[in-house]
Amino acid sequence: IVLTQSPDTLSLSPGERATLSCRASQTITNNYLAWYQQKPGQAPRLLIYGASRRTTGFPDRFSGSGSGTDFTLTISRLESEDFAVYYCQNYGMSSHTFGQGTKVEI
Amino acid sequence: QVQLQESGPRLVKPSGTLSLTCAVSGASITSGHLWTWVRQPPGKGLEWIGEVSHSGGAIFKPSLSSRVTLSVDTSKNHFSLRLISVTAADTAVYYCARAGAFCDGDCHFPIDFWGRGTLVTVSS
Repeated sequence: IVLTQSPDTLSLSPGERATLSCRASQTITNNYLAWYQQKPGQAPRLLIYGASRRTTGFPDRFSGSGSGTDFTLTISRLESEDFAVYYCQNYGMSSHTFGQGTKVEI
Repeated sequence: QVQLQESGPRLVKPSGTLSLTCAVSGASITSGHLWTWVRQPPGKGLEWIGEVSHSGGAIFKPSLSSRVTLSVDTSKNHFSLRLISVTAADTAVYYCARAGAFCDGDCHFPIDFWGRGTLVTVSS
C-alpha cells in the first residue's frame, strides 16, 4: 500500500485550522491508520491510531477521520507547539508504510 | 515507562554489514507487543524496515527483505537489526521502536514508543 500525503507543506498562522490528507493506494482494512508528529531532532510521537483514536498527551484540538482509502488529520486551532511534520502510517497485517509527510509551518 | 536505546557502530563501510541492537527497559520483550525498526535518511521521511515478535516471527519492507534480518534475545530483553550489503543509500537515523497492542474489541499495533535514534553513516 502506498500512502500519499497532501499537501507537502502547509503554511498557516497560529489559531488557524489545519487539514492534512493521507490517501492510500488500496483500502486500509480495520482502519489500521496512524498519525505521528515529529519535531526537529526528535523521534516521532504517536498522535492518532485506528484513524480516529487520539492518544493521551495530545489535546482535543487534534482529530482524525476517514476510512477506506481517504484519511484526514485536523488541527482545529494551531498553537505554536503544533508546527511540525506529520506522517500517516498503515500498520496492517503485512504493510506498514509511511506517507512522505506534511510539514506544517508558520 | 518504556524506554528503548539503540547501540552499534555509527560508521559502516560500503558493502559491509550494519548491525544495531535495541535495549528495552520498562517492558518485557515477551509481552504481546511487536518490536520495530524505522529509519530516516537525513532531511527525508520515515521508512519502515520491519518488525519482529518475541517468538522471532518477522515481517519486512519488501524492497529490503533480501538484506534484513531481525532477531530477539529474550534473556537480554533486547532485539537486533542486521542489514547486509549496505550502500550510501542506507545512511540514516535508525530508530528502534515498539508497536504496542491497543486492544478494545479489536487490536491495533501502532508504534507507541520510540528510541532516540542513532545516525549510521555508510562511507569508506
